[in-house]
Amino acid sequence: GAVVSQHPSWVICKSGTSVKIECRSLDFQATTMFWYRQFPKQSLMLMATSNEGSKATYEQGVEKDKFLINHASLTLSTLTVTSAHPEDSSFYICSALEHRDQPQHFGDGTRLSIL
Amino acid sequence: DQQVKQNSPSLSVQEGRISILNCDYTNSMFDYFLWYKKYPAEGPTFLISISSIKDKNEDGRFTVFLNKSAKHLSLHIVPSQPGDSAVYFCAAVSSNYKLTFGKGTLLTVNP
Repeated sequence: GAVVSQHPSWVICKSGTSVKIECRSLDFQATTMFWYRQFPKQSLMLMATSNEGSKATYEQGVEKDKFLINHASLTLSTLTVTSAHPEDSSFYICSALEHRDQPQHFGDGTRLSIL
Repeated sequence: DQQVKQNSPSLSVQEGRISILNCDYTNSMFDYFLWYKKYPAEGPTFLISISSIKDKNEDGRFTVFLNKSAKHLSLHIVPSQPGDSAVYFCAAVSSNYKLTFGKGTLLTVNP
C-alpha cells in the first residue's frame, strides 16, 4: 500500500527556533499533499494544501508567514514552523494524494513541543 | 461550527460482538466519506469509504452505511476483534478534495 513517511516524529526546542518537518511519499508520486494540526481531544484540522511546484493554499486563520510550506517535488513537501512559540506546540501530520479519486494517505505525525 | 461530528468519544464492546460507530455531518455538499483508524503514535490509516451516491459499502468485517437524508453515516465492525481497538475518525470530502474530520471515537474491544 501507499506509504507516507514523516520526519521527525518528535521535536522539543526552545522558543524562537524554526522547525522543519518533512513529508515524503515513498512509493508513489503525490499530486497534492496536505498539512494538518491536531490539538488534544480535537479533530485533525487542515492547515494548508500543497501542490508540487506551486504556492500552498492556506486555510482561514493559518498564518502563511508562520507556517512555510515548500512542495519541491512530487514526493516531498516540507512544513517549517518559523520562530516557534509555546502556543505552536501541537501534533502536525501530513497526508499525500496520488490520484484525486483515491483516499489520502497519512504520515505518522510530528509531536512538536516548544519550551 | 463543526461540520463533522462524532458524538461518542468512546465505545467499549465485547470481542465477537458488533461495533457501531456513528458520524453526523451538516454540509450537504460533502460527496464522499471515509473512515480512518488510528493507533497511538501512528498516523491515520484508511479503512473504508463510501460515495454519496451509495448507501452501503462492505469490505470484509467492515461495512459503512450512509443515510443522506439524515446526514448520518455509521461504521459497523462485525465480529469485533481486540486488534480493532483504536481511535476511529470519520472524514468527509468536499469538492476540492479537502478532508474534514470528526473528533474521533476510541473503540475498545475487550477479549
